[in-house]
Amino acid sequence: NAGVMQNPRHLVRRRGQEARLRCSPMKGHSHVYWYRQLPEEGLKFMVYLQKENIIDESGMPKERFSAEFPKEGPSILRIQQVVRGDSAAYFCASSLTGKNTEAFFGQGTRLTVV
Amino acid sequence: AQKITQTQPGMFVQEKEAVTLDCTYDTSDPSYGLFWYKQPSSGEMIFLIYQGSYDQQNATEGRYSLNFQKARKSANLVISASQLGDSAMYFCAMRAEGNNRLAFGKGNQVVVIP
Repeated sequence: NAGVMQNPRHLVRRRGQEARLRCSPMKGHSHVYWYRQLPEEGLKFMVYLQKENIIDESGMPKERFSAEFPKEGPSILRIQQVVRGDSAAYFCASSLTGKNTEAFFGQGTRLTVV
Repeated sequence: AQKITQTQPGMFVQEKEAVTLDCTYDTSDPSYGLFWYKQPSSGEMIFLIYQGSYDQQNATEGRYSLNFQKARKSANLVISASQLGDSAMYFCAMRAEGNNRLAFGKGNQVVVIP
């Protein structure tokens, strides 16, 4: 049973471009969480999704950021018109139930905006 | 809102010795869970141990144990018999009951020396 898969592992974008980060949850998991880790910081919650629904997006910036978890395929975190301050590690976690107790993290995508 | 505080500076630990990592938290929720994660230099987040606020006994997982003092709102991680592979950042996190997000501290850096 493969773990949570995130790709790409590293992503470099120029200012103003779009970044798309993908997360395939563990098999059978329908709950996905996205977190952002700035340098020298802990992880900060961004959004919680369950298949086709956004349950909690209270940690998402109001502009340029969006997330989806379609019926088929991976969850996508999309950042439009990236700026240098978006440079961070973005982690995805998944769980079988809607409780973070059993959440498993992916290896993260490190976004660098140049 | 939940708040996690990890204020220790980076720590050097002799191989085979024990190390204690401090974590204090603040919440008004009566029911919550406490977590510790390890982040090695490769970047992934590895779940170590979980403590529920109503658990009567301190959690243990192999060489990891959690010194849970509810009245003091502390949840210190003890790593016994340190190994070189324990060198990493360690993050304390909590989740309130009914809340799907984890709140993380800023982490403790541990370096195990031979």
